[in-house]
Amino acid sequence: GENVEQHPSTLSVQEGDSAVIKCTYSDSASNYFPWYKQELGKRPQLIIDIRSNVGEKKDQRIAVTLNKTAKHFSLHITETQPEDSAVYFCAARLYGGSQGNLIFGKGTKLSVKP
Amino acid sequence: AAGVIQSPRHLIKEKRETATLKCYPIPRHDTVYWYQQGPGQDPQFLISFYEKMQSDKGSIPDRFSAQQFSDYHSELNMSSLELGDSALYFCASSLTGGPTNEKLFFGSGTQLSVL
Repeated sequence: GENVEQHPSTLSVQEGDSAVIKCTYSDSASNYFPWYKQELGKRPQLIIDIRSNVGEKKDQRIAVTLNKTAKHFSLHITETQPEDSAVYFCAARLYGGSQGNLIFGKGTKLSVKP
Repeated sequence: AAGVIQSPRHLIKEKRETATLKCYPIPRHDTVYWYQQGPGQDPQFLISFYEKMQSDKGSIPDRFSAQQFSDYHSELNMSSLELGDSALYFCASSLTGGPTNEKLFFGSGTQLSVL
């Protein structure tokens, strides 16, 4: 089955700096890669996602890149703000019809220092 | 916009008791997923249902069972509770065949504490 590895497990940056989180996946058939932000005790919130037929996607300060050959994808946050502090999870999914659940990475705790 | 609704928000049980968690998906969503998240852990997939039939099964213990009803809501039944079952349980839903069919939307979760 699918296995997702995520690095680093913790990341501390100064406000205004950029943050990069990297993930690798094992199943080359996976075709959907979302990123979730989770604050303590709250639901995972989808912040950006990318399909396997796209190499890069950007939404304001957040971008995701995908390298299908190397089976890795990354989250880039620019101009970080204290409210970006949270745990970020990458995930992979082999989506087809009604099948395919999300497999999560172990998470990255991002701390943005003012 | 309506979101995924879970109840109860918090639940406290004793060892060996049973618990039932409920999930109401986003209206018109036909697929429901259950995840278990321990403290400091990533969400672990338990089970999913599409059109009231089990579609995928993950690391769900035999003590747990789930179903999806005709109105698409789902219930996770947990018996013979153990201390290790204490976790945050999330339900998510998606719409097969829609423009965002690959996206899962999560509910606020049920915090289960087993004493």
